[in-house]
Amino acid sequence: SYDLTQPPSLSVSPGQTVSITCSGDELVNKYASWYQQKPGQSPILVIFQDTKRPSGIPERFSGSNSGSTATLTISGTQAIDEADYFCQAWDSNVLWVFGGGTKLTVL
Amino acid sequence: QITLKESGPTLVKSTQALTLTCTFSGFSIASSGVGVGWVRQPPGQALEWLALIYWDDDRRYSPSLKSRLTITKDTSRNQVLLIMTNTDPLDTATYFCAHAGDSGWAFDYWGQGAFVTVSS
Repeated sequence: SYDLTQPPSLSVSPGQTVSITCSGDELVNKYASWYQQKPGQSPILVIFQDTKRPSGIPERFSGSNSGSTATLTISGTQAIDEADYFCQAWDSNVLWVFGGGTKLTVL
Repeated sequence: QITLKESGPTLVKSTQALTLTCTFSGFSIASSGVGVGWVRQPPGQALEWLALIYWDDDRRYSPSLKSRLTITKDTSRNQVLLIMTNTDPLDTATYFCAHAGDSGWAFDYWGQGAFVTVSS
């Protein structure tokens, strides 16, 4: 099976930049996506195909994917960004796989 | 506007089969490139992909659950069904259906989720 590893938790001060990592074997050869999920709500897609932002997602969300690590970066973090973040990888072999999630605290 | 909504039983007994229905609007699953998938999330845990069906009836399953899952679609009723056999209390989770297609291999629209308890 294919595994994606994320840090369980991170904290950031308002206005600062935070990077959430997602590690997996040769992840650069797969398409990485990122989802934001707030308590009691459904996930929201914030990054797809490594670096693309869906319509309506603020520019402060950006993504990258290199080597074995995909990264979600939030610049100028706001209190409303406090949430769980899940990475997801796809290729024709592993299909869809999610990471374990990172709880982001803004304080 | 794309919307999806899950429906099904809230409680099933262990070993029984679970059938969940995803009813959607705002797109057709007959359109090239479109897929509808199922993802579940046990309380306080991570997301887990279960299955996906494409517009051309191609079906993909999580390798770890493949023997227990069947996904089908009813194009005329705008529905996708997921059947899970031989349920276990470990299958207790919120089950989401989600649209894939406009954003590559990501799930760009999600239903509100349906919480299912499997009792022993």
